[in-house]
Amino acid sequence: KAGVTQTPRYLIKTRGQQVTLSCSPISGHRSVSWYQQTPGQGLQFLFEYFSETQRNKGNFPGRFSGRQFSNSRSEMNVSTLELGDSALYLCASNRGGSTDTQYFGPGTRLTVL
Amino acid sequence: KQEVTQIPAALSVPEGENLVLNCSFTDSAIYNLQWFRQDPGKGLTSLLLIQSSQREQTSGRLNASLDKSSGRSTLYIAASQPGDSATYLCAVIRETSGSRLTFGEGTQLTVNP
Repeated sequence: KAGVTQTPRYLIKTRGQQVTLSCSPISGHRSVSWYQQTPGQGLQFLFEYFSETQRNKGNFPGRFSGRQFSNSRSEMNVSTLELGDSALYLCASNRGGSTDTQYFGPGTRLTVL
Repeated sequence: KQEVTQIPAALSVPEGENLVLNCSFTDSAIYNLQWFRQDPGKGLTSLLLIQSSQREQTSGRLNASLDKSSGRSTLYIAASQPGDSATYLCAVIRETSGSRLTFGEGTQLTVNP
């Protein structure tokens, strides 16, 4: 069974640009969550999508947005990039229940110059 | 607001030693607690999931316990090996937060040969 995949694995952007990250969950998983990991803030929750609907949202500005497609694949978009957006972005998937094990992808390393 | 704390922040032990990592959380209204391992620059690997109704879970040399009433969990690693060197993270899911995980800051473990 294939694991969670994320593309691209590495990105370098400049301030002011926008970026789109992609996450493909494990087959059969309907929930996809996104997290930002930085040395200073640790792992911070961005948002969760379940059956194409945003189910939960963290405390990030509106520049961070996401969506989920009918095949459960999810994308995250960050507009008007700032230096502080440099981070490892991780997505996780599970079947959708709060008691289910969550499985993480390898992450996308975003560097903003 | 749920807060998760992990002690110690870093730990260095000789190979073969048994060790305990600690995790505490402030809100006992949780669905489950999950322990993860993260190697440098990589994604998270799920180690153990403990449901709120359970007291412990075991996988190989790993044993995790949960005391929901006191807001504490421990991860016990038996006969540690250099390959166990990584950052260990605990995370909880609150009863009202879907699949949203709240993470601790992690314990960085080094096992010396």
